[in-house]
Amino acid sequence: LAKTTQPISMDSYEGQEVNITCSHNNIATNDYITWYQQFPSQGPRFIIQGYKTKVTNEVASLFIPADRKSSTLSLPRVSLSDTAVYYCLVARARNTNAGKSTFGDGTTLTVKP
Amino acid sequence: GAVVSQHPSRVICKSGTSVKIECRSLDFQATTMFWYRQFPKKSLMLMATSNEGSKATYEQGVEKDKFLINHASLTLSTLTVTSAHPEDSSFYICSALMESGTQYFGPGTRLLVL
Repeated sequence: LAKTTQPISMDSYEGQEVNITCSHNNIATNDYITWYQQFPSQGPRFIIQGYKTKVTNEVASLFIPADRKSSTLSLPRVSLSDTAVYYCLVARARNTNAGKSTFGDGTTLTVKP
Repeated sequence: GAVVSQHPSRVICKSGTSVKIECRSLDFQATTMFWYRQFPKKSLMLMATSNEGSKATYEQGVEKDKFLINHASLTLSTLTVTSAHPEDSSFYICSALMESGTQYFGPGTRLLVL
């Protein structure tokens, strides 16, 4: 299972763009990258998933360089309600151990007014 | 996104009793589900992989006789904490794996053992 490394914490202000980078140096060819958001006493919520290049949905963008050894979650114009812990997960898409992954420590994002 | 439910959301029990937690995928079938536990201000720790129709696979250090997992159908996995003790108090979270390879998580179950 690929190990991930993220900054422990980040601060931002309302309305700013926030970029959280995750390192996953030993990512395998069949692995994909998924980002989750977790509020206290709740299960993680799916944000975005990608394999390479750039993926965008209604809440975030995910940038993955060609070597795939890192990924960056971009949250446009954050609000106070985006204060949460953000996790990146690396997991296999198919076959043995599909979906199985190890959670890193996550990044605690604090958005200030 | 896909919906995964857990029941109960919180439970308080006496030491020595057993507690069952249900995890259901409400709008998709999941051959594989995962069970995690999370301590305050810590990350999620994978306990076991639940496979429909076969035995669960436990992570190192997790007692399979203590944490019984049954994946009876493609939409239901249960975790039973047997002979619970105060040190088993934690936040238990399940996830269900879609065919796309994405995990969707339940809301979690808070267990308090007195």
